[in-house]
Amino acid sequence: QVQLVQSGAEVKEPGASVKVSCKASGYIFTDFYIHWMRQARGQGLEWMGRINPHTGGTNFAQKFQGRVTMTRDTSINIAYMDLSRLRSDDTAVYYCARDDTLSDWGQGTLVTVSS
Amino acid sequence: QSALTQPASVSGSPGQSITISCTGTRSDVGSYDLVSWYQQYPGKAPKLMIYEVSKRPSGVSNRFSGSKSGNTASLTISGLQAEDEADYYCYSYGGSSRTWVFGGGTVLTVL
Repeated sequence: QVQLVQSGAEVKEPGASVKVSCKASGYIFTDFYIHWMRQARGQGLEWMGRINPHTGGTNFAQKFQGRVTMTRDTSINIAYMDLSRLRSDDTAVYYCARDDTLSDWGQGTLVTVSS
Repeated sequence: QSALTQPASVSGSPGQSITISCTGTRSDVGSYDLVSWYQQYPGKAPKLMIYEVSKRPSGVSNRFSGSKSGNTASLTISGLQAEDEADYYCYSYGGSSRTWVFGGGTVLTVL
């Protein structure tokens, strides 16, 4: 069965960077986009961007351009989302999901930005 | 890319039907049949309920259906059950910018 398993919770200081991983299994990793979303406590879902695991090509929401990087390692079927220059309002649960339909989701990773 | 517009909340009694709207623009919802709907319980990851406007993934109840007219997509839940009480989000391809966008979310209360 398809599974996306994300890395554990992170606590970061303002100005730092965070890298969240998403390990895929149960399907051919390079056949489907990986999308990244986030959700602040009590708020809605926000699309951040996506990566094509086959080519490494990316698309980002304008809001995150210049601050987010998405990469992948096809040898171990892991996608990564790196967000830099963290602010307190980046505190949220970050999710990865498979395919443009977001058919399968990771369990979420809580990133807390606090001094 | 602005968020799609959903009602903040809807409610219905068990057995009734409800519809949640999702309004975008000619550039997103109006131009592509790439609208999905997700159900989310508190503290849980979202679950895909409808994709490509009206298609249901395997395992999703046929009480859930989707449609689109112009720039507005809709999710209808028939035969409401207590377990349907959750947050619902629509999602659409944004077009030329190759981006995607969510609606603000709708809280469904089963009375």
